[in-house]
Amino acid sequence: EDKVVQSPLSLVVHEGDTVTLNCSYEVTNFRSLLWYKQEKKAPTFLFMLTSSGIEKKSGRLSSILDKKELFSILNITATQTGDSAVYLCEAVGGGTSYGKLTFGQGTILTVHP
Amino acid sequence: ETGVTQTPRHLVMGMTNKKSLKCEQHLGHNAMYWYKQSAKKPLELMFVYSLEERVENNSVPSRFSPECPNSSHLFLHLHTLQPEDSALYLCASSQDLRARGNTIYFGEGSWLTVV
Repeated sequence: EDKVVQSPLSLVVHEGDTVTLNCSYEVTNFRSLLWYKQEKKAPTFLFMLTSSGIEKKSGRLSSILDKKELFSILNITATQTGDSAVYLCEAVGGGTSYGKLTFGQGTILTVHP
Repeated sequence: ETGVTQTPRHLVMGMTNKKSLKCEQHLGHNAMYWYKQSAKKPLELMFVYSLEERVENNSVPSRFSPECPNSSHLFLHLHTLQPEDSALYLCASSQDLRARGNTIYFGEGSWLTVV
């Protein structure tokens, strides 16, 4: 059975700190891994990773995939209170025409002023 | 505004009621999805539609009945639900099926409470 596990489940930091969120996956015929941010509403897309070792970057957020060790990390530098949210990781596997879609349980990030 | 609109945003229904959730996407996408998000559980895929045809029913009980009249609209008909069905129901769309590398856009969700 496909599985995605995120850690930690929750994290509390202060503004300015750097955080690293982890996502490990076991999926059949892996296609891609995606990160989302969810703030009491619809999850919004952050990154899609398909290749190992290539960092995706957007402002203070960056992410990288390791297909050998089957994990991805999401880094947030110089955190701000607006970064407080649930961060979701999703793995897309193959085997079906639509893609086997598996989410992790999410990491709740709280950034205090 | 994500381009995916869900109504109603909040719904309270009794176990014997029949209600429907509606989703509309304005992105010209071909694939639409229903997800369930319960407290402390990962997002669960319920149904996948591609070009108005259902391509996946992920072992969802028959008290949930999806309908996709066209590629822009998706409904979830609800009948004789149980209290444990209370959750956030998220609609989403993607240009094409996810196996082809498409990203997904979520609606704001419909909060359902079954009493």
